[in-house]
Amino acid sequence: DGGITQSPKYLFRKEGQNVTLSCEQNLNHDAMYWYRQDPGQGLRLIYYSQIVNDFQKGDIAEGYSVSREKKESFPLTVTSAQKNPTAFYLCASSSSGSSYNEQFFGPGTRLTVL
Amino acid sequence: AQSVAQPEDQVNVAEGNPLTVKCTYSVSGNPYLFWYVQYPNRGLQFLLKYITGDNLVKGSYGFEAEFNKSQTSFHLKKPSALVSDSALYFCAVRGPYTGTASKLTFGTGTRLQVTL
Repeated sequence: DGGITQSPKYLFRKEGQNVTLSCEQNLNHDAMYWYRQDPGQGLRLIYYSQIVNDFQKGDIAEGYSVSREKKESFPLTVTSAQKNPTAFYLCASSSSGSSYNEQFFGPGTRLTVL
Repeated sequence: AQSVAQPEDQVNVAEGNPLTVKCTYSVSGNPYLFWYVQYPNRGLQFLLKYITGDNLVKGSYGFEAEFNKSQTSFHLKKPSALVSDSALYFCAVRGPYTGTASKLTFGTGTRLQVTL
């Protein structure tokens, strides 16, 4: 999975709790992304960031928040406002200089709401 | 808005036979297309991409893909399948320009099952 790490691998959350998923990359990539994967639905973009201190909403941002204080790190918080948070979450990054560079993915975090 | 369709949820093929995983796309402007593979409980791995040029793109692990502009297709192929190729395959298309970020739209995935 390249130079991207995600932690934890498995996460259990009680209803009403906020949880934060970690994503770190050592590839010196400017752009980073968060996706949600559900069975039969492919990957859907939650948020992306092109540069430090900047991020944009993706297709399903409601109930999620992110920060990008460091180039290497792009944590995702799943808030209590997210109605159905149980899913597999994938972080990715890509190099700048071309908007069609391939993305490199982390190993994912599986979040389960109890 | 751009979109990707993978019409087959699952493709079954015997080891040693050729395989094809289908993908069609819809996008305004020039298409930039990608194939990724995902093994169970893992992240996605990049296989290949089409940006411009030759319609036959060669990628990792012996995979290749054929770009067909008139049919808006980008089918993934391999001449001889291996059991170890069994995985979930995703086709993706780059969306409208978003600066330096490579914003992708993914298909729903096709599960490839290769049997002995």
